[in-house]
Amino acid sequence: KNEVEQSPQNLTAQEGEFITINCSYSVGISALHWLQQHPGGGIVSLFMLSSGKKKHGRLIATINIQEKHSSLHITASHPRDSAVYICAVSLGNQFYFGTGTSLTVIP
Amino acid sequence: DTGVSQNPRHKITKRGQNVTFRCDPISEHNRLYWYRQTLGQGPEFLTYFQNEAQLEKSRLLSDRFSAERPKGSFSTLEIQRTEQGDSAMYLCASSLNPVGTGELFFGEGSRLTVL
Repeated sequence: KNEVEQSPQNLTAQEGEFITINCSYSVGISALHWLQQHPGGGIVSLFMLSSGKKKHGRLIATINIQEKHSSLHITASHPRDSAVYICAVSLGNQFYFGTGTSLTVIP
Repeated sequence: DTGVSQNPRHKITKRGQNVTFRCDPISEHNRLYWYRQTLGQGPEFLTYFQNEAQLEKSRLLSDRFSAERPKGSFSTLEIQRTEQGDSAMYLCASSLNPVGTGELFFGEGSRLTVL
């Protein structure tokens, strides 16, 4: 069983829709990270959080430590948001990655 | 560009050949990670350096794989006698602070295709 589970695996949305991607983890963590990967490979860090909520532009990330669950929300989605979103947790010197959620936003 | 740099970006090779990938991390970052990613999967940990010391290696890293970071700056990942199963994206990432407190910065990756 993977330490990090994401849902859904694939998501298609209309431009403007509110999007939620979920992440559950089974280990104690130092921090949780949300990453964005565009076709071609490059991965960009969106958020690192260990409690509460963070907001950056149209992106919001929340974490519930007791429930070992995090969500990434995208408000007013746009086609340029189309990418794979990866949840990762850090523990010790290690990162554990989910398999990613592939998001497609249709104009 | 002061981000993490990887090269080559793409490598096509025949089975049995050796390949080497290079990673130049962000200059002040002391931690460097190598990951492998196949289609539809998240990155899988291969190995980790703190400065020039290789502190951890995954069981995924067979004897055909070797990584170095000789001066604590750039790193190389060599795969000897490549197999078709080695085809993947090889990602390098660097970090300044301990993992729990610092962000991980990724390079664009080196895509390997073994024919």
